[in-house]
Amino acid sequence: AQTVTQSQPEMSVQEAETVTLSCTYDTSENNYYLFWYKQPPSRQMILVIRQEAYKQQNATENRFSVNFQKAAKSFSLKISDSQLGDTAMYFCAFMKHYGGSQGNLIFGKGTKLSVKP
Amino acid sequence: EAQVTQNPRYLITVTGKKLTVTCSQNMNHEYMSWYRQDPGLGLRQIYYSMNVEVTDKGDVPEGYKVSRKEKRNFPLILESPSPNQTSLYFCASSPPLGTSGRYRTDTQYFGPGTRLTVL
Repeated sequence: AQTVTQSQPEMSVQEAETVTLSCTYDTSENNYYLFWYKQPPSRQMILVIRQEAYKQQNATENRFSVNFQKAAKSFSLKISDSQLGDTAMYFCAFMKHYGGSQGNLIFGKGTKLSVKP
Repeated sequence: EAQVTQNPRYLITVTGKKLTVTCSQNMNHEYMSWYRQDPGLGLRQIYYSMNVEVTDKGDVPEGYKVSRKEKRNFPLILESPSPNQTSLYFCASSPPLGTSGRYRTDTQYFGPGTRLTVL
């Protein structure tokens, strides 16, 4: 079974600075997807970034980028130029590429990020 | 606007009183899913549906039922709610991915959530 671990329950960062959120996962699959979702106080689940395991290039979306280390099973999220609106709970998630229960997103327990003015 | 909607957004009920949480998407997605979110546990999948009349259990299906009679709707049914089903519920949908003939989902898009309290 796959597991996703986020070892930082809470983090804080000053506005305009950079912060990195950690995520590790365990799987025997070779092909899969990894996601970061953001959950602001409104509780909406918002996709931040998506990575396909067979792509070596790290995904980027504006101020958000990932450091994907497949051998180490590590998938960290870097937020540059942090903004007050980035304050949220961030969830790392894993999804198989093929096979039974393929669409089941396996989530970590989340990291609560606070951006301070 | 492309979206996933859920109703009601908030519900307080009592043990044993049957309830239904509706989920609807307007993106013509084939895959739909229900998750529950509990403090310190992240989100866990309850049930999913790969298409009309095709549903299957996720990781925590006990106490829940679903149906998929139309592509756009995927209601979650609690026949006899209990206090341990107090949670935040999310519906999600996803387009298919690839043309290899083997069905795969792509990125899932979530509804706004339903906060359920069972007394």
